[in-house]
Amino acid sequence: EAQVTQNPRYLITVTGKKLTVTCSQNMNHEYMSWYRQDPGLGLRQIYYSMNVEVTDKGDVPEGYKVSRKEKRNFPLILESPSPNQTSLYFCASSPSNYLGNTIYFGEGSWLTVV
Amino acid sequence: QKEVEQNSGPLSVPEGAIASLNCTYSDRGSQSFFWYRQYSGKSPELIMSIYSNGDKEDGRFTAQLNKASQYVSLLIRDSQPSDSATYLCAVTDSGAGSYQLTFGKGTKLSVIP
Repeated sequence: EAQVTQNPRYLITVTGKKLTVTCSQNMNHEYMSWYRQDPGLGLRQIYYSMNVEVTDKGDVPEGYKVSRKEKRNFPLILESPSPNQTSLYFCASSPSNYLGNTIYFGEGSWLTVV
Repeated sequence: QKEVEQNSGPLSVPEGAIASLNCTYSDRGSQSFFWYRQYSGKSPELIMSIYSNGDKEDGRFTAQLNKASQYVSLLIRDSQPSDSATYLCAVTDSGAGSYQLTFGKGTKLSVIP
């Protein structure tokens, strides 16, 4: 089954404790991306990657890091989480960076930083 | 700054009626336009994509695009309670060599039985 898998789905952590949200896709997609969704602000892109070892900032990259060492994985790293990073996070993938391809979303990761 | 604007709603329609959802965008060079449906706490799911001016129909859904007016809409005919969700308009940017999708904040639709 084609899917984008995120882990953990739910996490409560403390300020400053490094954490990683993993994302894996089994569709051999070139393009992967991370979004955060907040009430009243909608979905905002954090980082995206058009292929292995190619990443770029989205609209809200501050406080986040990513890496793309393998095609299937695109982890999101919060080096020193802060309460304003409490959000619902979605990983997504797409066959290529060709404009118009369908984007497939993971199920989301609820992150709370206290 | 790219912007995609939607009325936040809630938009309430009776069951069986037509629901009309609207979206405007600021990037005149945008080429691809999408409507996603999102149930509360779930991930967005694509319901329609449109790339050229005019109408595109898929079952009960019709997307309409007017690039001159920078306007895209979604009509849902014979609305059902199961259509109650938040609808997100998304627009790709026009920058060469990049692929960024900008989402509107969504319109919450409520279909009343």
